[in-house]
Amino acid sequence: DTAVSQTPKYLVTQMGNDKSIKCEQNLGHDTMYWYKQDSKKFLKIMFSYNNKELIINETVPNRFSPKSPDKAHLNLHINSLELGDSAVYFCASSQGQDNQPQHFGDGTRLSIL
Amino acid sequence: GESVGLHLPTLSVQEGDNSIINCAYSNSASDYFIWYKQESGKGPQFIIDIRSNMDKRQGQRVTVLLNKTVKHLSLQIAATQPGDSAVYFCAENIGPSGTYKYIFGTGTRLKVLA
Repeated sequence: DTAVSQTPKYLVTQMGNDKSIKCEQNLGHDTMYWYKQDSKKFLKIMFSYNNKELIINETVPNRFSPKSPDKAHLNLHINSLELGDSAVYFCASSQGQDNQPQHFGDGTRLSIL
Repeated sequence: GESVGLHLPTLSVQEGDNSIINCAYSNSASDYFIWYKQESGKGPQFIIDIRSNMDKRQGQRVTVLLNKTVKHLSLQIAATQPGDSAVYFCAENIGPSGTYKYIFGTGTRLKVLA
């Protein structure tokens, strides 16, 4: 009964390909996030959604397109993958109000060849 | 295994000793702070939080101290155990309200020595 689950856990693909990462939470939260963690462990927010609406787009290239079909899901599609996209991507969720801790998935390690 | 985090500050402590992990935050208007623990191959896990109207909060074996004057946050772990070995992040909610924007610190790797 994983609270925030992401698939796949590992993704290895060629430069220029298009790929998707899926995220689902069963906590009943209405806010979801995508974070990118680089090789130095630096964790940076990419997007946040509240009730399926985009709240934050943190200057992410438009090759990245999040989609939230419902409050429990936030998927991330990436077009034309580049070497610099190699990282670990984390999905998270929280209760809708500010000042609530986020619950993270275990990450998707994306490696671009 | 991971070969990441080579530039992370590292704190090494003896098992049973107390650990203190420090964090400087960026925004004097931030009103909510969180400490997370990240184990290898896992996502960050919530440890403890504190609101800006407090300067101290205690949990089980952990205490968070907030000094708003110097924009400093610390996490104290009592009687450190091998299972405490991980990377620790502080995070601040930089607002404005309703934007759910959290900025994470650079992280500190805690190594517990047997």
